[in-house]
Amino acid sequence: GAGVSQTPSNKVTEKGKYVELRCDPISGHTALYWYRQSLGQGPEFLIYFQGTGAADDSGLPNDRFFAVRPEGSVSTLKIQRTERGDSAVYLCASSPPGGTYNEQFFGPGTRLTVL
Amino acid sequence: SQQGEEDPQALSIQEGENATMNCSYKTSINNLQWYRQNSGRGLVHLILIRSNEREKHSGRLRVTLDTSKKSSSLLITASRAADTASYFCATNVKGGSQGNLIFGKGTKLSVKP
Repeated sequence: GAGVSQTPSNKVTEKGKYVELRCDPISGHTALYWYRQSLGQGPEFLIYFQGTGAADDSGLPNDRFFAVRPEGSVSTLKIQRTERGDSAVYLCASSPPGGTYNEQFFGPGTRLTVL
Repeated sequence: SQQGEEDPQALSIQEGENATMNCSYKTSINNLQWYRQNSGRGLVHLILIRSNEREKHSGRLRVTLDTSKKSSSLLITASRAADTASYFCATNVKGGSQGNLIFGKGTKLSVKP
């Protein structure tokens, strides 16, 4: 079946602009996660949804970052007033229902470049 | 905050040799997972080992976990050029949310044909 998809695959924007990154999880997966990865580093947790609600948003770096999942499926990560330091690959992952601490299925990521 | 740390940072071997990567972490965990990443994009889950398990196998992969030393190792036997990738360990911290996986910086493995 189809895996996690993310759009766009690449996004170039200017400092101060607003961007939206989209994630389509695997059909039927109830949990959805956002991470970001800088060059040469491992992914860094941002936020985790269980259904429509954010179960853990402790990784969001500041209030310029916000994520929604209004219908419990697609999620959008929103970044306001982008800064050059926001440049990274933003990864989305999802997990099926049932059990705890499951493996996460990752999408290919969106490479964000802030000029 | 960084929990897991892989060692070595980079590893270069010949096809057919075994590759061993180590991961150390700082606080108690529920489980530890290993992921592979090609070309800096999406990660692929390899294996999950729970805190009450000591060893797991999956094909050419063998993972061990020593909770007393807070360390894990990933062994890839009979490596192939296609195994060239970065390998990350990731932990679910005990008491933390199930969604919060904490990754290390990874080991970059290069398998030469």
